[in-house]
Amino acid sequence: DQQVKQNSPSLSVQEGRISILNCDYTNSMFDYFLWYKKYPAEGPTFLISISSIKDKNEDGRFTVFLNKSAKHLSLHIVPSQPGDSAVYFCAASAGGNAGNMLTFGGGTRLMVKP
Amino acid sequence: NAGVTQTPKFRVLKTGQSMTLLCAQDMNHEYMYWYRQDPGMGLRLIHYSVGEGTTAKGEVPDGYNVSRLKKQNFLLGLESAAPSQTSVYFCASRGQVSETQYFGPGTRLLVL
Repeated sequence: DQQVKQNSPSLSVQEGRISILNCDYTNSMFDYFLWYKKYPAEGPTFLISISSIKDKNEDGRFTVFLNKSAKHLSLHIVPSQPGDSAVYFCAASAGGNAGNMLTFGGGTRLMVKP
Repeated sequence: NAGVTQTPKFRVLKTGQSMTLLCAQDMNHEYMYWYRQDPGMGLRLIHYSVGEGTTAKGEVPDGYNVSRLKKQNFLLGLESAAPSQTSVYFCASRGQVSETQYFGPGTRLLVL
């Protein structure tokens, strides 16, 4: 039973347009959420995060939105660039869990076309 | 400052062979993690450690053992490799304050 789901395995967007990646979760104990970006043959790199006390966090071209009532978060990339083409994972953490473990979604492959 | 490093980068094993994957971090992080990544399944936690000398099971621990004898190193062992353990293995670490985990470049393992 996946607690964090990314229902779109892939997304294709034109350069300069907005990319919206979605993530749903089922565990109401999750209170911190992260997005990671992964290029082929490399490890995931941290992109942006959000605490459950906020509904939006922005960092340059990247904005994460959190809708706690819907148990849904999304990552917006504006404007999208070809270098953004990668696999994006959302992850969630339940505060106070032993080891502060992260639960990951299955990933969404973003392709930004020039 | 290398961050998180993993050795080897790639390995081919025959069923029943054993091997150890090494993870090292130079950020003085308390927490370390081993994940495996399989297509469409994201990253699944195998084992983790909250400090030197401690280890705990994650979501998919069967067939693996770990040791954290030194704070900077976290070893993942496969005693008797099986084809189902063909995967890409990632190590990660984090400090006590931040929620962010920092990942190594991965080890690709093929078990024939």
